[in-house]
Amino acid sequence: RKEVEQDPGPFNVPEGATVAFNCTYSNSASQSFFWYRQDCRKEPKLLMSVYSSGNEDGRFTAQLNRASQYISLLIRDSKLSDSATYLCVVRRNNYGQNFVFGPGTRLSVLP
Amino acid sequence: DGGITQSPKYLFRKEGQNVTLSCEQNLNHDAMYWYRQDPGQGLRLIYYSQIVNDFQKGDIAEGYSVSREKKESFPLTVTSAQKNPTAFYLCASSIALAGVSYNEQFFGPGTRLTVL
Repeated sequence: RKEVEQDPGPFNVPEGATVAFNCTYSNSASQSFFWYRQDCRKEPKLLMSVYSSGNEDGRFTAQLNRASQYISLLIRDSKLSDSATYLCVVRRNNYGQNFVFGPGTRLSVLP
Repeated sequence: DGGITQSPKYLFRKEGQNVTLSCEQNLNHDAMYWYRQDPGQGLRLIYYSQIVNDFQKGDIAEGYSVSREKKESFPLTVTSAQKNPTAFYLCASSIALAGVSYNEQFFGPGTRLTVL
């Protein structure tokens, strides 16, 4: 089993739809959680960190459930520009190098 | 502007040749990383460095080498021992304060290496 797993995708949704991405992690000692966005043939860029209380940034909402070792990302009112691959990233602890990347879920928002 | 630069953007190598990928950052970050990404796959860690003159192997270090002589620079050499080097190579950096959570990684634009 991979340490970080994501919905296999791809997701094809119409503009304006709400889409949810799921991510699970196996290391219960994991400390920090992130969603990155990666456009085709580009580098990953931080979309948002995921805090224990959940957090929202405009149309994007991230949730963390430590008991279930589950992270989610919700995109409301999706735009064509949201088309990208979304990477779930987990940091095992706060010392040294220990970022673990999920394989990503590709989203295509269709006109 | 602060950021991470990688060069070249595209690189072609003949089998049996060593090639070096450049990574430079002016973010004053202590930690730097090299990842490899294959189509449809997640990022895999090759090497990382928490401080100048020190670096550690990641999950797939075989066939690669690095140096960290300056804080700003972390070049990666892909040697002829790397059996399947064609991939997208990404360099990243972050602050490296022990115990600090949520210190994100910043990525360079990447180098696409193709072995002919």
